[in-house]
Amino acid sequence: RKEVEQDPGPFNVPEGATVAFNCTYSNSASQSFFWYRQDCRKEPKLLMSVYSSGNEDGRFTAQLNRASQYISLLIRDSKLSDSATYLCVVTGFQKLVFGTGTRLLVSP
Amino acid sequence: DAGITQSPRHKVTETGTPVTLRCHQTENHRYMYWYRQDPGHGLRLIHYSYGVKDTDKGEVSDGYSVSRSKTEDFLLTLESATSSQTSVYFCAISRPRLGTASSYEQYFGPGTRLTVT
Repeated sequence: RKEVEQDPGPFNVPEGATVAFNCTYSNSASQSFFWYRQDCRKEPKLLMSVYSSGNEDGRFTAQLNRASQYISLLIRDSKLSDSATYLCVVTGFQKLVFGTGTRLLVSP
Repeated sequence: DAGITQSPRHKVTETGTPVTLRCHQTENHRYMYWYRQDPGHGLRLIHYSYGVKDTDKGEVSDGYSVSRSKTEDFLLTLESATSSQTSVYFCAISRPRLGTASSYEQYFGPGTRLTVT
């Protein structure tokens, strides 16, 4: 079983739609959680850290469920510019563990 | 922008040749990392450094070595490149999350595309 698992997608949504991604992790000792965004042929960029109580940044909302060991990312009012791959990241033993990413395609 | 540059950005080399990739940062962060990214695998840690001359192995360190003689530079060397090392290599730094001293976030350089023929 992979340490971090994500649905690879792609998720195809129209502009304005709400889309949600889930990610599960296997290490119950993980302490920090993140969502990164990666555009084609570019470096991953930190989208948001995920806090235990959940957090929101504009159109983006992240939730953490420690009991079930999953993290979610909700994107509201999708824009064309949201098209990218979204990486779920958790801390492992002295390192980060990356999921393989979920691809989002937002169409006009 | 975390002030991270990588060089070269693209390289094609032949099997068996040595290759060195450079990562340079301008903010004096203590922790630096080298990852590789391949389809279906996500980013995997090769080596990391927690200070000048202090380095440790990651999960895919075989065939790679690193050096850090200055805070700002972290070098990744493929002693004898193989086709399985064709990949995109990312360098990263770790810095405290804004408003905290104990939570850290990683920021990545632009990457180096390496092709071994």
